[in-house]
Formats: sequence, structure tokens, C-alpha cells
Amino acid sequence: GAVVSQHPSWVICKSGTSVKIECRSLDFQATTMFWYRQFPKQSLMLMATSNEGSKATYEQGVEKDKFLINHASLTLSTLTVTSAHPEDSSFYICSARREIGTDTQYFGPGTRLTVL
Amino acid sequence: QKEVEQNSGPLSVPEGAIASLNCTYSDRGSQSFFWYRQYSGKSPELIMFIYSNGDKEDGRFTAQLNKASQYVSLLIRDSQPSDSATYLCAVDTGGFKTIFGAGTRLFVKA
Repeated sequence: GAVVSQHPSWVICKSGTSVKIECRSLDFQATTMFWYRQFPKQSLMLMATSNEGSKATYEQGVEKDKFLINHASLTLSTLTVTSAHPEDSSFYICSARREIGTDTQYFGPGTRLTVL
Repeated sequence: QKEVEQNSGPLSVPEGAIASLNCTYSDRGSQSFFWYRQYSGKSPELIMFIYSNGDKEDGRFTAQLNKASQYVSLLIRDSQPSDSATYLCAVDTGGFKTIFGAGTRLFVKA
């Protein structure tokens, strides 16, 4: 159990367009999901914490109007990168925490975004 | 500022040896501790979690926790080239936030 999927696995887009990334917990309910960004050879950077049915909590320095997060159900959270620019090119990874009983995070496979 | 510190490495060990990865954390109230493995270009994969002082073994992996010293380690016995990856230490300080270390790169030489 504890499988998390992400879609798409990679995306290439033009500067100025918006990109939506989906994160799904496939076999468990996740009241909390997390969005991370990772640049090459660097550590994970937490962008925001997403709780089902409420607004996401963004980390300092992360623009909430640029990175829109929607946690519409117990199995789905989406991250939309609005008006993407080349500096937004990165590896975006979501994780999900089970509803009950554990604080372990299970990671999705990641989405590699390249903005031209 | 709550911190999790790891030696960035690279740590290089010969095949079959024991690899020892270390992590220290600053928040004495931390309760849950995790080790993740991340291959290049992939997302982190949970290896082990530990909550209590002492050792926890799972196959070739042993996690060790010493809350008094605020220290958690991961031992990999009989290291294999396929173990070559970056190992992330993560600490849950309570609430919804888990803090990740920067990771230690491990190379296992065949």
C-alpha cells in the first residue's frame, strides 16, 4: 500500500503558459499532501502543505499566486504553475501522509518541468 | 530554526562493506525519524522509520536512534552497487512538518 502517483511525469512548455500537475494517493486517503521542488544536485525544498478542503500553507518565499494548490479530495491535490518562466524549471515532487496512524510521507514519482 | 544536518559526502565504500550514514537534528522534541533513498532523477523512497531509542533492523538496513545525543544513523550491511544513491534523513518535529536533511551521497564501488 501507500502508492502515490503524479501526472504528468514530465512536461515541456513555453514561457508564459500555465502547467497543472496532479498528485494522487491511489490506495489510501491523504488529508495532508506536500509539494516539494528540487533543483539539480540540491535537496528537497518544501513549497507548501496542502490539507483537504482548506487553503494550502505556503513556505516563506513561495508565491502563492504563482503556485496554485488545490486539495479537492482526500486522494487528489493539484499544483498549477502559472505563467511559467525558465527559472521555474525544476523537479516537482508531491508526497502524501496517511489519514490516520502515521506521520510517514510517501512520495510520488515526481514531475520534471522544463520551461523554454 | 529547526535543522537536520547530514554530511553531504560523497561516502565511498567497497562492495560488501558496511556503509554508515549519520544525521543530527536540533529540535529535542522531535518524535519521528525517517531515512529515504533517492536515486538520481527519481523521487525519494522510504527505507525505514524509527521512533524509539535503540536499533531497528530491516534486512540489510539498521536505523539507530539516540535522542539524548540527537543523533540518528543508518547502517547498510553488505553494501551493493545498487545502494549507490543519496540518502535523506528526515525528522518530524510535531504537527504536519517534516524537515529533511540535504542528503548524503553514497557510492558503492564494485
